[in-house]
Amino acid sequence: GQQLNQSPQSMFIQEGEDVSMNCTSSSIFNTWLWYKQDPGEGPVLLIALYKAGELTSNGRLTAQFGITRKDSFLNISASIPSDVGIYFCAGGGGNKLTFGTGTQLKVEL
Amino acid sequence: KAGVTQTPRYLIKTRGQQVTLSCSPISGHRSVSWYQQTPGQGLQFLFEYFSETQRNKGNFPGRFSGRQFSNSRSEMNVSTLELGDSALYLCASSLEGGLLNTEAFFGQGTRLTVV
Repeated sequence: GQQLNQSPQSMFIQEGEDVSMNCTSSSIFNTWLWYKQDPGEGPVLLIALYKAGELTSNGRLTAQFGITRKDSFLNISASIPSDVGIYFCAGGGGNKLTFGTGTQLKVEL
Repeated sequence: KAGVTQTPRYLIKTRGQQVTLSCSPISGHRSVSWYQQTPGQGLQFLFEYFSETQRNKGNFPGRFSGRQFSNSRSEMNVSTLELGDSALYLCASSLEGGLLNTEAFFGQGTRLTVV
């Protein structure tokens, strides 16, 4: 099945650092969603984007819907240990979500 | 407001058997989607139901089927289980889904192991 290109695949950062990850696609999407998944749990919605060019924040998280509608990025500022987990982007269109390959974030104290 | 509830959380089945998984969406949500998550393939879309009708289907064999009831609860069934069906099965609910693509909220998933 199709998956979106998400990078980086994994990141190992120091507590307090800023983090950036992005997602690209060859297809256009109507919405972009960002999720975080902890081991053994379902993905939890972090941010939803509905318009090309839209920039949305949720606490320390900021995400943007690319102007071409084929990409999105997520920034996390001042990372903390509980930010550890796998982050997924998802493009919405045609009654379904297409997910990225995931970015595993590890935070060093 | 209760979240998306999936039952059971864990399941062990033998090859050749069939299995039924259940999903209760958030109250008021009419769209229910199912996804399979494996380490190798990531999150893959199975199908989406809205008002008891399947609106979209992913690229899975006919052994995978689903249905939605009038109260929006959904079930998915896998027949003639194969070892490769071992995965975390996730259900997501949203208000309308479809072209509006409102936020989708996931349940905790059902971990299916086929032995």
